[in-house]
Amino acid sequence: QVPLVQSGAEVKEPGASVKVSCRASGNSFTIYGIHWVRQAPEQGLEWVGWINAGNGDTKYSQKFQGRVTIKRDTFASTAYMDLSSLRSEDTAVYYCARGPRDYFAMDVWGQGTTVTVSS
Amino acid sequence: DIVMTQSPDSLAVSLGERATINCKSSQSVLYSSNNKNYLTWYQQKPGQPPKVLIHWASTRESGVPDRFSGSGSGTDFTLTISSLQAEDVAVYYCQQYYSIPITFGQGTRLEIK
Repeated sequence: QVPLVQSGAEVKEPGASVKVSCRASGNSFTIYGIHWVRQAPEQGLEWVGWINAGNGDTKYSQKFQGRVTIKRDTFASTAYMDLSSLRSEDTAVYYCARGPRDYFAMDVWGQGTTVTVSS
Repeated sequence: DIVMTQSPDSLAVSLGERATINCKSSQSVLYSSNNKNYLTWYQQKPGQPPKVLIHWASTRESGVPDRFSGSGSGTDFTLTISSLQAEDVAVYYCQQYYSIPITFGQGTRLEIK
């Protein structure tokens, strides 16, 4: 079983919003924290935010505050990242990554979702 | 924010030779209450997500070849590949998880000489 499976590629116009999902296999979703990390083309890794899948507590990078919302559905074992007011600079591969919920390590990564922002 | 700075940006090493990548944090990532360094090393190959090699600065992830090792404490860390293999060509990143926001080094591209 693949531990984390992400939704498919998205193409959005500037100003739109995108929602990316990350489904965890197994029945222990709530013991984890789920991070979102992005990587622009030919660039490095950038942390977007995190959710405690158990209690729903969230933490966000200041850079994305106000534009990003991370939620989870415990029944579906799925975490979601919503990014609004998209601009061309948001074009990137977005990864979810799982880790312990009581500290911020990441041990398993999803396959990545390509989000392209273009008019 | 904790700034992570890797050196060098790129590195070319002959097969079978040692490769060394350095990572420096702008603040200590050593948590005094448990004496653990909150630092991970990743390997990323083209078109793939990052793969965890080392966590807690020096603990090799299960299944990672023992030619990979991590060392250092506080603010200065090193990833060493003792005998470079062709499959080790990749970009390597360090990351701190001591505090929010989580931050990554800029990456070091490792190639075969």
